[in-house]
Amino acid sequence: DQQVKQNSPSLSVQEGRISILNCDYTNSMFDYFLWYKKYPAEGPTFLISISSIKDKNEDGRFTVFLNKSAKHLSLHIVPSQPGDSAVYFCAALSGNTGKLIFGQGTTLQVKP
Amino acid sequence: DVKVTQSSRYLVKRTGEKVFLECVQDMDHENMFWYRQDPGLGLRLIYFSYDVKMKEKGDIPEGYSVSREKKERFSLILESASTNQTSMYLCASNGLALASGSSYEQYFGPGTRLTVT
Repeated sequence: DQQVKQNSPSLSVQEGRISILNCDYTNSMFDYFLWYKKYPAEGPTFLISISSIKDKNEDGRFTVFLNKSAKHLSLHIVPSQPGDSAVYFCAALSGNTGKLIFGQGTTLQVKP
Repeated sequence: DVKVTQSSRYLVKRTGEKVFLECVQDMDHENMFWYRQDPGLGLRLIYFSYDVKMKEKGDIPEGYSVSREKKERFSLILESASTNQTSMYLCASNGLALASGSSYEQYFGPGTRLTVT
């Protein structure tokens, strides 16, 4: 039972354009979400997070939007750069133990 | 700067061997986690520990065990390695997710690519 889903395995965009990565969740008790970025042969690195009391959080070129009624979040990268090419994972905080539930990941390719 | 280190970047083992993967963090974090990453399946939690000598099963604990004798060290053990345990193994840690304003962020090590032949 996949509680956090990233339904697009891959995404390809042109440099300078917007990248939109999507994530859906099923558990309405989730109240904190994170996005991670992972390059091959490296561990994931934290990118940006959002609490359920907000619907938007911005950090430079990265913005995360949360739609609680739709149980959907998205990561916008503007403008996209070739160095953004990586696998992106969304994650939801489960309970108060610090445990995260991850989606399957979306591979982003930004073409020069 | 948080540092999570894993004992090996690449490992090749034979079927039936006992395999130890070590993880050390230097941030005095209470929680530590072991995941495996496989294409199309994301990061799946194997085991986690929220205190020394404490452990909890994750989503896919079968064929694995863990040990946490010291706060900074969390070991993953494959009792008898099998080919379906060929994967990327990732260790992570974070602090207590209690304080308001906590980022809940998990910090990851570089991963160990394990191949079982």
